[in-house]
Amino acid sequence: GNSVTQMEGPVTLSEEAFLTINCTYTATGYPSLFWYVQYPGEGLQLLLKATKADDKGSNKGFEATYRKETTSFHLEKGSVQVSDSAVYFCALRGGGGADGLTFGKGTHLIIQP
Amino acid sequence: DGGITQSPKYLFRKEGQNVTLSCEQNLNHDAMYWYRQDPGQGLRLIYYSQIVNDFQKGDIAEGYSVSREKKESFPLTVTSAQKNPTAFYLCASSRVTGAVSSYEQYFGPGTRLTVT
Repeated sequence: GNSVTQMEGPVTLSEEAFLTINCTYTATGYPSLFWYVQYPGEGLQLLLKATKADDKGSNKGFEATYRKETTSFHLEKGSVQVSDSAVYFCALRGGGGADGLTFGKGTHLIIQP
Repeated sequence: DGGITQSPKYLFRKEGQNVTLSCEQNLNHDAMYWYRQDPGQGLRLIYYSQIVNDFQKGDIAEGYSVSREKKESFPLTVTSAQKNPTAFYLCASSRVTGAVSSYEQYFGPGTRLTVT
């Protein structure tokens, strides 16, 4: 079956530091990959996505590249802000049907001023 | 504005009672989903529906039931058979025509259910 593994948190960084959150996946076929962000007490918001190998998703300074050879979709940002503090989820959706997303367990990011 | 609404935001029930969580969307999406979120566990799929009057079990359907009588609505009932019902419940929706796997899911704000 499908699975997503992402780095354990919490990850604590200082403002303006470089961010990497690792995500690797196991899936059959050619899944689409997503990063979602969740602020305290709220639902999930889509941050970015990539639908085929070598695609780069980007949004609000965050980037992630779909690497089929390493089955990875690492999230990066060059300079984080306090407002980036949240929980980040890597997810995949398999090809073929309208079934649900498979999520990683989430990484809690804390940015200190 | 289009979106997904879930009500109420907080819900408290006594053990042994069934409780129904509401989910409504005005995005004109065919597919709707229910997930459960527990601390440190990520999200797990409970049920999903691709079309009115049809739904499928997800990974953790035991103790839950759903209905899909209207395209806009997908209520979830947490029954007394669910052993650990206290959790944060999230509803989502998605398109289903075309390149389905590339479509993201849109999430509601969630309902936090506490059963004592």
